[in-house]
Amino acid sequence: DSGVTQTPKHLITATGQRVTLRCSPRSGDLSVYWYQQSLDQGLQFLIQYYNGEERAKGNILERFSAQQFPDLHSELNLSSLELGDSALYFCASSVGVLVGGGDTQYFGPGTRLTVL
Amino acid sequence: TQLLEQSPQFLSIQEGENLTVYCNSSSVFSSLQWYRQEPGEGPVLLVTVVTGGEVKKLKRLTFQFGDARKDSSLHITAAQPGDTGLYLCAGAKSEKLVFGKGTKLTVNP
Repeated sequence: DSGVTQTPKHLITATGQRVTLRCSPRSGDLSVYWYQQSLDQGLQFLIQYYNGEERAKGNILERFSAQQFPDLHSELNLSSLELGDSALYFCASSVGVLVGGGDTQYFGPGTRLTVL
Repeated sequence: TQLLEQSPQFLSIQEGENLTVYCNSSSVFSSLQWYRQEPGEGPVLLVTVVTGGEVKKLKRLTFQFGDARKDSSLHITAAQPGDTGLYLCAGAKSEKLVFGKGTKLTVNP
């Protein structure tokens, strides 16, 4: 158990709909990262928040948005869903902002989104 | 094009065999990480290598960072069924992690 929680575990919805994925970071971690994992693209970085502020952006579509709340939990909002948005969505958290050398990202168990 | 190329994409071996998986790029990374991911779970960090030429050992796993910090390898000695999983490398660049697509390893008893 990484200490990162994500809800829901599974989500099935229809094209054109909007969904919200939720993430609670490990206690004490200020950074939250969102990733999308699909078979063809692998694990793709979407966006990072640090202590409530957007810190870094990756390949996040305009139809997607995220925020981090004062209690440090984060939500990823996906709208106007398309079949191609079906994927695993992971949240990760870390203490600080630097990845790699001095900081470790802990991943949650993911949310499997299926768009029909 | 993928910034980090991992090979092989799939590997199926017998228990007790040795194996090496590779992670290659034309880009330089400040550090490189290896993760293992099991079905239905998120990736779990195995190791971080920071210095060019660095070698780290974790029990039967040996990780090496290339001298130019563009590539890395993971060698597993005497593989066990418990090593089965998706092995991902990730390079740190501008405060972001760039992941390879992974090597799916199956160790058969």
